[in-house]
Amino acid sequence: DTGVSQNPRHKITKRGQNVTFRCDPISEHNRLYWYRQTLGQGPEFLTYFQNEAQLEKSRLLSDRFSAERPKGSFSTLEIQRTEQGDSAMYLCASSTGTGALGYTFGSGTRLTVV
Amino acid sequence: DQQVKQNSPSLSVQEGRISILNCDYTNSMFDYFLWYKKYPAEGPTFLISISSIKDKNEDGRFTVFLNKSAKHLSLHIVPSQPGDSAVYFCAASGINNNDMRFGAGTRLTVKP
Repeated sequence: DTGVSQNPRHKITKRGQNVTFRCDPISEHNRLYWYRQTLGQGPEFLTYFQNEAQLEKSRLLSDRFSAERPKGSFSTLEIQRTEQGDSAMYLCASSTGTGALGYTFGSGTRLTVV
Repeated sequence: DQQVKQNSPSLSVQEGRISILNCDYTNSMFDYFLWYKKYPAEGPTFLISISSIKDKNEDGRFTVFLNKSAKHLSLHIVPSQPGDSAVYFCAASGINNNDMRFGAGTRLTVKP
């Protein structure tokens, strides 16, 4: 297992189009998180899964955003009708749930909406 | 609501000297405090953590200090090396560890 994998690394899309990102977590990790990071800011929490259940969603996650984790393995984050304000780095992380060990992050998907 | 704050956007130190990165938080219910390191084009990498019941945790050149009364923590790197140059994020989470909050980051530059 080589860590958390995210695809694609970069995505450029036109405003109004839909985009989907994929995250493959570390296989032993039952928890999966999505974060968004904009320039000059730290990662902002979007949503969290424990196995296949989506247990928490941030108010940042508008109804244009949807995340899934079928079968508790990989996860997808879809943004519908993209807006320029959606341009950001989307980070996925996974963990075992032990607070002292932190999260393992992927390298992120950089979204640019033109 | 910005519950974790890093007020210094950047820090520059000489190789071999001590680097001190600071972080303040507002939520006294946090149970774990963590530091992450981030290189360009990579995701943040976990560096070191401290439980809210402790005031110090050390791992090699890295030591994290927690002052609960001041709601303040700091990361000390001794001695600093050029390879330590990166953005450092302070983070905090509750006991369920399902909603980690991050500061805005401090860019550390270690000059040879």
